Amino acid sequence: DQQVKQNSPSLSVQEGRISILNCDYTNSMFDYFLWYKKYPAEGPTFLISISSIKDKNEDGRFTVFLNKSAKHLSLHIVPSQPGDSAVYFCAASVGGNNRLAFGKGNQVVVIP
Amino acid sequence: DAGVIQSPRHEVTEMGQEVTLRCKPISGHNSLFWYRQTMMRGLELLIYFNNNVPIDDSGMPEDRFSAKMPNASFSTLKIQPSEPRDSAVYFCASSIEGLSEKLFFGSGTQLSVL
Repeated sequence: DQQVKQNSPSLSVQEGRISILNCDYTNSMFDYFLWYKKYPAEGPTFLISISSIKDKNEDGRFTVFLNKSAKHLSLHIVPSQPGDSAVYFCAASVGGNNRLAFGKGNQVVVIP
Repeated sequence: DAGVIQSPRHEVTEMGQEVTLRCKPISGHNSLFWYRQTMMRGLELLIYFNNNVPIDDSGMPEDRFSAKMPNASFSTLKIQPSEPRDSAVYFCASSIEGLSEKLFFGSGTQLSVL
């Protein structure tokens, strides 16, 4: 059973606009959340993370929002750039360990 | 550092054959993970080692799958016998237990079982 769910598997957005990716989780014990980015023929690479004690974390063009009551997090990319075209995975863990549960991923295509 | 190194990058084999995937983690990392990526299930954790000891293999699909980590710098994932439904991308990742939740992934092995 998927504990981390990413719906809307693909997203197309114009360059310069905002990309919003959503992620829902079912395990209330999750207390650390991460987003990974994956290009074709490469492994996923870490993008940004957030602890459950926060509701927002920002790193340059990337911001992650966490709504614990709704068990929902989102990744905002603004402005979107063609190099952001990739698959984005949401991941979560319990107790700060590095055994991550991943979602299925979202394909983002940024149109120049 | 060269990062996590996986071999081979691509493997095409026939049903029933044995397949061995290899992984060299980042030096100094004490946790190693094997993940499988499919369209249907995304990234699934197969097995997790800490200090070369298998901690959780509950994600291993069945007895045809086995994994070893004979030392801190090498791990294998073996499928014997292989079946077409094993076709997927297999990723190895490493990290430092207790220090970071970030995993560092290799480039993966694309396995096709005909």
